[in-house]
Amino acid sequence: DTGVSQNPRHKITKRGQNVTFRCDPISEHNRLYWYRQTLGQGPEFLTYFQNEAQLEKSRLLSDRFSAERPKGSFSTLEIQRTEQGDSAMYLCASSLSALAGEQYFGPGTRLTVT
Amino acid sequence: KNEVEQSPQNLTAQEGEFITINCSYSVGISALHWLQQHPGGGIVSLFMLSSGKKKHGRLIATINIQEKHSSLHITASHPRDSAVYICAVSNTGNQFYFGTGTSLTVIP
Repeated sequence: DTGVSQNPRHKITKRGQNVTFRCDPISEHNRLYWYRQTLGQGPEFLTYFQNEAQLEKSRLLSDRFSAERPKGSFSTLEIQRTEQGDSAMYLCASSLSALAGEQYFGPGTRLTVT
Repeated sequence: KNEVEQSPQNLTAQEGEFITINCSYSVGISALHWLQQHPGGGIVSLFMLSSGKKKHGRLIATINIQEKHSSLHITASHPRDSAVYICAVSNTGNQFYFGTGTSLTVIP
């Protein structure tokens, strides 16, 4: 296993379009996190999963955002009706420990909304 | 006010210098994490600690739980250490809070 992977690495879309990102965590990791990072800022927590259950959602995650992890393995993050303010790097991380253990980050998906 | 504050925001050092990056937090935590982010976005976890001190090679991380403060030290800095260093804290609810990062540039 080579680590956490994310696809696509870059996405350019027009305002109003829907986009979907995929994250494949390290295979034995049961926790999966999504973050958003804008230029010059640290990552902001969006949501996380314990296996297939979505246990926490940030207030940042508006109703245009939805995340799934249907089989407790890969996860998808969908943004509907994208806005220019959605332009950011979307990071995925996974971890094994049940007590907020060390996270392993993917390379991120950079979204540009024009 | 952010839950995690880092200082300085930007740091330039000469190769070989001893570097310190500071992190203060205002929430209860189960662990503190130091992360390294290179241009292009990749983030690597350097340390996870809940007390005391940890050392990996030239990197040392310390935490003072009572003062809610942590420091990351780099000894004998090298240009390849140039990156953004991010402090993050996690709580028992598995929420992570991140600082805005310290951009380090080490000049040869």
